[in-house]
Amino acid sequence: DAGITQSPRHKVTETGTPVTLRCHQTENHRYMYWYRQDPGHGLRLIHYSYGVKDTDKGEVSDGYSVSRSKTEDFLLTLESATSSQTSVYFCAISVRDRGYEQYFGPGTRLTVT
Amino acid sequence: DQQVKQNSPSLSVQEGRISILNCDYTNSMFDYFLWYKKYPAEGPTFLISISSIKDKNEDGRFTVFLNKSAKHLSLHIVPSQPGDSAVYFCAASLLGNTNAGKSTFGDGTTLTVKP
Repeated sequence: DAGITQSPRHKVTETGTPVTLRCHQTENHRYMYWYRQDPGHGLRLIHYSYGVKDTDKGEVSDGYSVSRSKTEDFLLTLESATSSQTSVYFCAISVRDRGYEQYFGPGTRLTVT
Repeated sequence: DQQVKQNSPSLSVQEGRISILNCDYTNSMFDYFLWYKKYPAEGPTFLISISSIKDKNEDGRFTVFLNKSAKHLSLHIVPSQPGDSAVYFCAASLLGNTNAGKSTFGDGTTLTVKP
């Protein structure tokens, strides 16, 4: 258990509204990731972070931004939610001395109506 | 272009038999491969991994085989148990310092083990 929590766990929002999802870890790991999971698409990387204030884009970053002002928190923001962003969002951390195997949070189910 | 492919969306096996899940990759630079297991309404959990310098890694009932020339890996579960029913994701990674530990995931294979 890598001590990863996500909040909220479920959210329903309307198209055009901003949404922020929070990932919190308790073990001060350097690397953190945000994924989305959709049927038939597996896990797709949205953004990742390699340290405080150090972030970069993943393969599906359009419409998303992230921030990491503290080691333990990694925030994902949808500036103006669209129905195509309805998905399950997972946060993860990786541990370098374990071959970068990743440990995932429980997920946030987001519905954009 | 999808770099990691799991061509079988689903697999059904009888309890006690062997389950074989397959994964293909296109990027020959990948040097570390992982399998994750996911139950409904939970996050994926790490299962087993293998470095590109090896061709086999075993952990209890789970064995991963790597065939670098074919760019293919497989996960064997023997014997299969009903509790193994889950979605299995294959992932590939580059271990270099500049990669920030990123992995590329396949689309997953749903395994059903029938009692």
